[in-house]
Amino acid sequence: EPEVTQTPSHQVTQMGQEVILRCVPISNHLYFYWYRQILGQKVEFLVSFYNNEISEKSEIFDDQFSVERPDGSNFTLKIRSTKLEDSAMYFCASRRGPSTDTQYFGPGTRLTVL
Amino acid sequence: GESVGLHLPTLSVQEGDNSIINCAYSNSASDYFIWYKQESGKGPQFIIDIRSNMDKRQGQRVTVLLNKTVKHLSLQIAATQPGDSAVYFCAENPYGGSQGNLIFGKGTKLSVKP
Repeated sequence: EPEVTQTPSHQVTQMGQEVILRCVPISNHLYFYWYRQILGQKVEFLVSFYNNEISEKSEIFDDQFSVERPDGSNFTLKIRSTKLEDSAMYFCASRRGPSTDTQYFGPGTRLTVL
Repeated sequence: GESVGLHLPTLSVQEGDNSIINCAYSNSASDYFIWYKQESGKGPQFIIDIRSNMDKRQGQRVTVLLNKTVKHLSLQIAATQPGDSAVYFCAENPYGGSQGNLIFGKGTKLSVKP
């Protein structure tokens, strides 16, 4: 069964450093998402991406964040200058088509900012 | 305030019993609701979904009920098994559009006693 994959599974970085989180969505999906989950809290929407551009973004997704689909398979989330409060699980999700199609989530990347 | 929330943060049931997990939502425009299961260290796993034009939907051992009058969503798990132990999140698509951005509730932890 096709699945969303994410790398790395755990990323440790120093405050102020740039990180890139990588995702490979399901191959025939067209909509891509990043969510984050601070430990013990709910999953929060960050950004959605369709047709090579951002569709929607939340208040969390400020100028320090960016997304890119550099090729036909990868979808990346970049944080330019990490802060302590960026420590969280980051989940990538993808969806094939219209709004009621299921979003499938990857296993997540645990980001720890020291 | 948040749009989606849960009545019970934790639920403990005996193996073989039925489980009911509840969720309240506040956005009348939401047209699509999903239940996800999240096991420790993993990403949200799709369980079942329901559209706003339905009141009930059944899957394998799971049933989702939607009461639009009181803006309430529930997940029923029949014959709960130890493998059902996880955190369960309800999520909604509040925008009624094509982007499918999800808003998640806080989660209910289900513990199944053998």
